[in-house]
Amino acid sequence: ELKVEQNPLFLSMQEGKNYTIYCNYSTTSDRLYWYRQDPGKSLESLFVLLSNGAVKQEGRLMASLDTKARLSTLHITAAVHDLSATYFCAVDRDDKIIFGKGTRLHILP
Amino acid sequence: NAGVTQTPKFQVLKTGQSMTLQCAQDMNHNSMYWYRQDPGMGLRLIYYSASEGTTDKGEVPNGYNVSRLNKREFSLRLESAAPSQTSVYFCASITIKKAFFGQGTRLTVV
Repeated sequence: ELKVEQNPLFLSMQEGKNYTIYCNYSTTSDRLYWYRQDPGKSLESLFVLLSNGAVKQEGRLMASLDTKARLSTLHITAAVHDLSATYFCAVDRDDKIIFGKGTRLHILP
Repeated sequence: NAGVTQTPKFQVLKTGQSMTLQCAQDMNHNSMYWYRQDPGMGLRLIYYSASEGTTDKGEVPNGYNVSRLNKREFSLRLESAAPSQTSVYFCASITIKKAFFGQGTRLTVV
């Protein structure tokens, strides 16, 4: 059974700092997704990672995938207040897409 | 989000009532999903459809039924609503390149 674990579940950090969110999953997968959700809103797609060693970057966010370790990371560089949101990873195996519980990121100005 | 239309946005039901949540996408995607989101639980998969004419159970299918009417539409039905089904429901259309989510349905069962 596919299980997805994110940590930390809550993160409060200062602007300008770097941090990493971790996403572990329990079985082999076809692809891994990262999403952002603002309070009261729907989900916004950030990245899709398809293969081992894949790295994608958009602005201050960078996602990577290590399929051997069954681990993906979302790295935040020089955080700014606008990045405050909840971030989810989700793992796809045979079209069944399971989400982690999310990391609520609060960036202090 | 552009491309996925989900209705209604809000609904209040009495225990035992039934209702259908509608979802339609105009991007010609094969795979569509229904999730529920509860505080502290992330998104949990209710049902999914990898292609027209097929549906599969997700993590929390009990109390729900789905119908993939055609490639565009994927509906979720609550036959006899229970307070435990109070939640925010999201429909999604997902490809290997990107995911598109509906705006969500906030359902309260009293």
